[in-house]
Amino acid sequence: QKEVEQDPGPLSVPEGAIVSLNCTYSNSAFQYFMWYRQYSRKGPELLMYTYSSGNKEDGRFTAQVDKSSKYISLFIRDSQPSDSATYLCATKSFMDSSYKLIFGSGTRLLVRP
Amino acid sequence: DVKVTQSSRYLVKRTGEKVFLECVQDMDHENMFWYRQDPGLGLRLIYFSYDVKMKEKGDIPEGYSVSREKKERFSLILESASTNQTSMYLCASSTAGTSGRYEQYFGPGTRLTVT
Repeated sequence: QKEVEQDPGPLSVPEGAIVSLNCTYSNSAFQYFMWYRQYSRKGPELLMYTYSSGNKEDGRFTAQVDKSSKYISLFIRDSQPSDSATYLCATKSFMDSSYKLIFGSGTRLLVRP
Repeated sequence: DVKVTQSSRYLVKRTGEKVFLECVQDMDHENMFWYRQDPGLGLRLIYFSYDVKMKEKGDIPEGYSVSREKKERFSLILESASTNQTSMYLCASSTAGTSGRYEQYFGPGTRLTVT
């Protein structure tokens, strides 16, 4: 079992829809969570990071962590065609003294005009 | 803004050639990382470095080496390129985590094709 799981998609939605992207993780020691957006043939771009349970909002993006369920979500409101990309979640264990992150394999999102 | 740059966006090399991929970051980050990304396999860590002249093997170091002579620069070396090293190579950097922050910042990637 992978430590972080993401549905690869593609997830196809119409413009303006609310998008929910999700990751599940297996290790309760994971406590630092990140979301990255990666356009085709480009490097991943950090969107948001959060330490704790609950929500963190930044513009149209909201990151949510449910530690009891080991589930993290990224919500995108009023989705735009420019949001079409692959979204990667990442996490770090406080038990790991290195600086390595554990990445999900990504969910591809298509926003149709 | 954090800026991580990579020396080439696209590179085509022949089997057996020695290949150098260069990465430079301008945020005085202590840590630097090299990943490769392949369809269906996600991001895989090749090597990382947490200080000048220090290096640690990642998950798939075979066939690669690295060099970090200056804090801002981290090089990935393919000693003898093979076709199975055709991939997207991504460099990243991060702080030492003393502030409790571990997020990594990525460069634009180098798409390497070995023929």
